[in-house]
Amino acid sequence: GQQVMQIPQYQHVQEGEDFTTYCNSSTTLSNIQWYKQRPGGHPVFLIQLVKSGEVKKQKRLTFQFGEAKKNSSLHITATQTTDVGTYFCAGYGGATNKLIFGTGTLLAVQP
Amino acid sequence: DTGVSQNPRHKITKRGQNVTFRCDPISEHNRLYWYRQTLGQGPEFLTYFQNEAQLEKSRLLSDRFSAERPKGSFSTLEIQRTEQGDSAMYLCASSSQGGRGGETQYFGPGTRLLVL
Repeated sequence: GQQVMQIPQYQHVQEGEDFTTYCNSSTTLSNIQWYKQRPGGHPVFLIQLVKSGEVKKQKRLTFQFGEAKKNSSLHITATQTTDVGTYFCAGYGGATNKLIFGTGTLLAVQP
Repeated sequence: DTGVSQNPRHKITKRGQNVTFRCDPISEHNRLYWYRQTLGQGPEFLTYFQNEAQLEKSRLLSDRFSAERPKGSFSTLEIQRTEQGDSAMYLCASSSQGGRGGETQYFGPGTRLLVL
């Protein structure tokens, strides 16, 4: 079945450092979504990318969708302690309406 | 509060007991999803409804699990004869678009189940 993997599983950075998480799908995705889940919280939608090669920015966050629509990345510039949490990518693929979540990257930011 | 709500937020039960969770989606949303999330993992799709119709079920949803959305509004997820392996966070999400892709899912706070 379709699998969505993320690397790294865990990243510990000093506040002010940059952070990147990578998402790879075993199948082509119609779109890719990113969610953030704070410790003890629930996933919160961040953004959706639809077009091949698309890049979107939200303040310090930059999201990219690969040309083949099988991979994506999230880059955070100058991390802050409020960025702490697990970042999940998720995508729809194939003839299904279910959203497949990636394995997630847990970001820890040391002040 | 117009977000997705779930009740109860926490449930502790003994193995073999039945439990039922409720999800109230955002009122104008016609799609409702159930997910299960275990520690350190991403949410895993269980099932979804479009209005009152249950359109897709994961193979994770064994015959001990049943979900309903009788009037196309709130939904319930029942687990019969609970097992320790059922311990997890059960998340509900809703969305408003009917087409595949392009829909934002809004998650509720989840129900954390612990089976002793």
